[in-house]
Amino acid sequence: NAGVTQTPKFRILKIGQSMTLQCTQDMNHNYMYWYRQDPGMGLKLIYYSVGAGITDKGEVPNGYNVSRSTTEDFPLRLELAAPSQTSVYFCASKEGGPTGELFFGEGSRLTVL
Amino acid sequence: KQEVTQIPAALSVPEGENLVLNCSFTDSAIYNLQWFRQDPGKGLTSLLLIQSSQREQTSGRLNASLDKSSGRSTLYIAASQPGDSATYLCAVSPPGYQKVTFGTGTKLQVIP
Repeated sequence: NAGVTQTPKFRILKIGQSMTLQCTQDMNHNYMYWYRQDPGMGLKLIYYSVGAGITDKGEVPNGYNVSRSTTEDFPLRLELAAPSQTSVYFCASKEGGPTGELFFGEGSRLTVL
Repeated sequence: KQEVTQIPAALSVPEGENLVLNCSFTDSAIYNLQWFRQDPGKGLTSLLLIQSSQREQTSGRLNASLDKSSGRSTLYIAASQPGDSATYLCAVSPPGYQKVTFGTGTKLQVIP
């Protein structure tokens, strides 16, 4: 009963480094999302995917890249990390349609120094 | 563009009180509305999902209502407990378009 799994839970990066946040879901959901949440702020959509091979930008895509080669996995790549990317990152997935309940991972806390 | 507003941003109540959290949205063309709970430093836990064809959903001490015509949803918490202290967020999903829009949340503190 894993749901949405994110790794790593915590990471410290130096400015200019790159890394990938992993996200996998075992519910066979077509729709997957990456959000970031800054302290005291709401969730901002970075990228989303409506199925394997299909991705699109959200509100704040700059500095990030995604891929969706399988239904299960939706990794988020940070290139040339900047202090502005210090945040908590959440991956989520859902089915389509009116009954589609959104499920979240536990989050990945990233600090860029 | 869909905008979701939650007022108040913070709420403090004594234990045992019944309370209502509000969520307003600007575009009534939605598939569903979902309420979440977020504890400090944790992820989001789904509480209730109301489909656009439904008026309300109940789970234990929680009852969520939806009025699409007025662009409003409320989350009613009965007999509040200190363990209910958390931030509550609502999110709306539009049809045929998969970007879910979140409100900024209401931070609830239940005082023993």
